[in-house]
Amino acid sequence: DPKIIQKPKYLVAVTGSEKILICEQYLGHNAMYWYRQSAKKPLEFMFSYSYQKLMDNQTASSRFQPQSSKKNHLDLQITALKPDDSATYFCASSQERTGDAETLYFGSGTRLTVL
Amino acid sequence: AQSVTQPDARVTVSEGASLQLRCKYSYSGTPYLFWYVQYPRQGLQLLLKYYSGDPVVQGVNGFEAEFSKSNSSFHLRKASVHWSDSAVYFCVLGTGGYKVVFGSGTRLLVSP
Repeated sequence: DPKIIQKPKYLVAVTGSEKILICEQYLGHNAMYWYRQSAKKPLEFMFSYSYQKLMDNQTASSRFQPQSSKKNHLDLQITALKPDDSATYFCASSQERTGDAETLYFGSGTRLTVL
Repeated sequence: AQSVTQPDARVTVSEGASLQLRCKYSYSGTPYLFWYVQYPRQGLQLLLKYYSGDPVVQGVNGFEAEFSKSNSSFHLRKASVHWSDSAVYFCVLGTGGYKVVFGSGTRLLVSP
């Protein structure tokens, strides 16, 4: 059974629209992350959260907003979509313990295509 | 600044041959080091990790990696590759405080 669930698996959107990418983890981890992978950049860190609070944000655009309604959820809202946002978005999690905080477990990704 | 370099973007080996994927890191502190594998259209999966102790760490599916502090390296090895090992491999540096740095990845193709 997948321990990190990302929904949907595939998503097609039109330019200018808004979408929400869902991520739920059932590993009992306290930290969650979003990464983006495209042909231009192999793996790009976006956000990290711990205990539902933002730890780090490396996303230049405010169009990307993480939302944590529960401690095992970290959704990603993307507004005013652009074709350049087309990528696979990966959610990951880790647990706060010495040496384990940096051990990431990944979901299978949401492949977003913006037309 | 911390960085990870995987000098080989693509590596092709024959099935049954041995494999080494190279990884060099730059970090002044004590590193946590990882190798992940990404199969087509899937997320990344942890192969192995190094925190301290024995510099040779064993991972899943016969993979191992060797940490060298003097060379700032963490090369991945496998004695005999299988066609199913074809994937992208990422070397990752952990610097503490939930922060990691990914290498650019090495695409491995195992030819029959």
